[in-house]
Amino acid sequence: EAGVTQSPRYAVLQEGQAVSFWCDPISGHDTLYWYQQPRDQGPQLLVYFRDEAVIDNSQLPSDRFSAVRPKGTNSTLKIQSAKQGDTATYLCASSFQLGGRDTQYFGPGTRLLVL
Amino acid sequence: GQQVQQSPASLVLQEGENAELQCNFSSTATRLQWFYQHPGGRLVSLFYNPSGTKHTGRLTSTTVTNERRSSLHISSSQTTDSGTYFCAISNTGYQNFYFGKGTSLTVIP
Repeated sequence: EAGVTQSPRYAVLQEGQAVSFWCDPISGHDTLYWYQQPRDQGPQLLVYFRDEAVIDNSQLPSDRFSAVRPKGTNSTLKIQSAKQGDTATYLCASSFQLGGRDTQYFGPGTRLLVL
Repeated sequence: GQQVQQSPASLVLQEGENAELQCNFSSTATRLQWFYQHPGGRLVSLFYNPSGTKHTGRLTSTTVTNERRSSLHISSSQTTDSGTYFCAISNTGYQNFYFGKGTSLTVIP
C-alpha cells in the first residue's frame, strides 16, 4: 500500500510570493488533514476534509490560505502572499473512519522557508 | 478546544535505560494516538490507544480515559529510539486531532 505523498518537499520564497502544496492520500481514505508544524513544535491543524467537503477550517488563515479537495482524493493547500511567520513544515495526513478507529497516516511534509 | 500536555519536554537516557513519557489532556478524548518523529522525518503512528494498554515490541501504551492521561513506556532504550514523541487527542464527535508539544528523547550509547 502506497503511503501519503506530498510535493514539493522543500520551498523557499520571498515574502509576498504565492506557493501551492500538493497531497495524495492513501487510496480509499475518506478524510484528509492539513497541519502546520513550526520548528520544534507539535503539528497544528489547519483544515480537514471528509471526501470533498470541508469539515473544519476554523484554524486556516482565510485571508491568505486556501485548501481544496475537489474529487475527494488529492488536495492542494495554497498560500497567497506568504509571510515570514508561515515558515514551517506543512503536513498532510489521511485516515479512514472504520468503526471510529480513524488512525492518521502522515506524509513526509513540505518544508517552507519564507525569507 | 482540547489542551494536551506532554512531559517531560526532553529526556536524555543511557542506552538500555527505560523511559516513561506522559500525556495529560483537558477534556474527554475519544481518539488518542502516539506518534514518533525522527528529526526531519515524517510522523509515524506508534499506537492508536483511546483506552487500555497496548504493546508492540519494547513499547507499551497505557491510557486511563477517565483520568485523562496516557503514557508511553519504552523499555531497554536504543540509540535509534532518539527523536520526538507526540501525543494527539480528538474530542467526542470531532475528528480534528490536537497535538501536544512533544517529548524529545535522546538515547546516548
